[in-house]
Amino acid sequence: EAGVAQSPRYKIIEKRQSVAFWCNPISGHATLYWYQQILGQGPKLLIQFQNNGVVDDSQLPKDRFSAERLKGVDSTLKIQPAKLEDSAVYLCASSLAGTSGYNEQFFGPGTRLTVL
Amino acid sequence: RKEVEQDPGPFNVPEGATVAFNCTYSNSASQSFFWYRQDCRKEPKLLMSVYSSGNEDGRFTAQLNRASQYISLLIRDSKLSDSATYLCVVNMRNNNAGNMLTFGGGTRLMVKP
Repeated sequence: EAGVAQSPRYKIIEKRQSVAFWCNPISGHATLYWYQQILGQGPKLLIQFQNNGVVDDSQLPKDRFSAERLKGVDSTLKIQPAKLEDSAVYLCASSLAGTSGYNEQFFGPGTRLTVL
Repeated sequence: RKEVEQDPGPFNVPEGATVAFNCTYSNSASQSFFWYRQDCRKEPKLLMSVYSSGNEDGRFTAQLNRASQYISLLIRDSKLSDSATYLCVVNMRNNNAGNMLTFGGGTRLMVKP
């Protein structure tokens, strides 16, 4: 079974530029998550989708970050304009949607962003 | 105060040693608990769930103390391949809207020959 796919794997941009990341979850996974992992820290949830609806975006810096999952499958995360502190690995994860209990989140390989 | 706190390490241990990691969490309403493993420059992967009764998976034993809001992971007979960062993870939500995971900063383990 194919895992979570992300692209690009690496991106280097200058501050104030824009960047977009793409994620394709595991087939059949209704729930999709974007995390930011700064070097030396654990992943931090930015936004969670259930199908094409947003479940939680409380930690998304909405002045510069946006995300969409228009057809309930692929998702894009955009940063505009980027700041130096946005340098991090952006991880996408997906899971089955369930009525209760824990549905394991499977992570993609991440996009490593460097802002100069 | 961080929601999930871990000693960042690194823990440097020889092969065959037993090593224990601890983690504390701040929200008593947390629903479920996990240890994830993250290799260098790789994505996190679920290692095991953590239950109050304690659970064991081969050389790995996890324990949860809800009263103290404390989670532990014990690794026996360490292997070189155990070298990684171990992330303590707390789930705040279990419903049909999906789960909400909060990760600790991770504890780095280095097993030496």
